[in-house]
Amino acid sequence: AQTVTQSQPEMSVQEAETVTLSCTYDTSESNYYLFWYKQPPSRQMILVIRQEAYKQQNATENRFSVNFQKAAKSFSLKISDSQLGDTAMYFCAFMRRGAGSYQLTFGKGTKLSVIP
Amino acid sequence: NAGVTQTPKFRVLKTGQSMTLLCAQDMNHEYMYWYRQDPGMGLRLIHYSVGEGTTAKGEVPDGYNVSRLKKQNFLLGLESAAPSQTSVYFCASSLAGQTGELFFGEGSRLTVL
Repeated sequence: AQTVTQSQPEMSVQEAETVTLSCTYDTSESNYYLFWYKQPPSRQMILVIRQEAYKQQNATENRFSVNFQKAAKSFSLKISDSQLGDTAMYFCAFMRRGAGSYQLTFGKGTKLSVIP
Repeated sequence: NAGVTQTPKFRVLKTGQSMTLLCAQDMNHEYMYWYRQDPGMGLRLIHYSVGEGTTAKGEVPDGYNVSRLKKQNFLLGLESAAPSQTSVYFCASSLAGQTGELFFGEGSRLTVL
């Protein structure tokens, strides 16, 4: 079974600054996906960024980037130039890649507050 | 484009009552999921469906039943509600189960007294 750990229950950052959210995971699989999902106060979750484990290059989506360390089983999210709209819960998630695999395993989340 | 729509958004039940949550998606997605979200627990998968007429158990299926009679709808039923089922329930769908990109509804807050 896979586990996903987010060790920072809450974080805050000043507007326009950079913040890094941590995520570690435990798996015996070699082929998988990792994700960061964002849940704003409105509650609807949206995908922020996705990383495929076989790709060494870190994924980037505009101000969002990841630091994927496969050997260390670490998957952190960096948010640059933080904006007030980035205030949300952020969930790290894992999905095994392969036939019959449909389950996303989520971490417990990190509540990020962007301070004006 | 509505995406994923859940009804109702709020409901209060008494212990032992039954209810059904409805999830509807208009994106022609094959896969649909029901998750529950509890404080400090993240999201946990209850049941999922990989196509019309098929369902499967997730991580926490006890006390719930599901049906997928139509591709666009995924129903979550509580036959005899218990206070432990007080939670926020999220429905999600995806075009292909292997990519991990789920599209979520806005959630349904259920309180069982």
